[in-house]
Amino acid sequence: KAGVTQTPRYLIKTRGQQVTLSCSPISGHRSVSWYQQTPGQGLQFLFEYFSETQRNKGNFPGRFSGRQFSNSRSEMNVSTLELGDSALYLCASSLGPRVQPQHFGDGTRLSIL
Amino acid sequence: AQTVTQSQPEMSVQEAETVTLSCTYDTSESDYYLFWYKQPPSRQMILVIRQEAYKQQNATENRFSVNFQKAAKSFSLKISDSQLGDAAMYFCAYSPSGERGNEKLTFGTGTRLTIIP
Repeated sequence: KAGVTQTPRYLIKTRGQQVTLSCSPISGHRSVSWYQQTPGQGLQFLFEYFSETQRNKGNFPGRFSGRQFSNSRSEMNVSTLELGDSALYLCASSLGPRVQPQHFGDGTRLSIL
Repeated sequence: AQTVTQSQPEMSVQEAETVTLSCTYDTSESDYYLFWYKQPPSRQMILVIRQEAYKQQNATENRFSVNFQKAAKSFSLKISDSQLGDAAMYFCAYSPSGERGNEKLTFGTGTRLTIIP
């Protein structure tokens, strides 16, 4: 069974641009969560989606948004990029919102110039 | 709010020896999950072991075992017969269970484990 797939693997953007990251969960998994990992702040929860609905959201500004499609694939979008948005963005999936554990993808490394 | 603390930023161990990584957490919940994830340089976060708080028996996965002390809110990871492939960043993580289920994982700051050949 294929694992969690995140695309692209690397991304370079400039300040003010916007970016969309993609996550395909493990087949059969319906819950998708996103995390930001930086050297300074560590791993922080961004949001969680289940059945195309955002169930939970972390403490991030409105520039960070996401969505989930009917096939459980998820995208996250960051608008008006800032230098501080440079990070590894990790996606995790699980069978459902009350089912552990979460399985992670390889992440997308976003660099802002 | 739940917090997870890993007080050892770096640890090293000789190959084939045993090492223990420490983790403490704070929560007012009575039912929850605890996890150890491993992140090698390849970046993927790999689940090493998990523990349900209602289970008194410590979880074990091959060379990996935990010492779960619920009253002390302590969750340490023991790696036996350390191998070169065990070198990675290790994260302790917490998640509530029950009705709120898979809300989110709260991670510690990580412990970088080096294996000395």
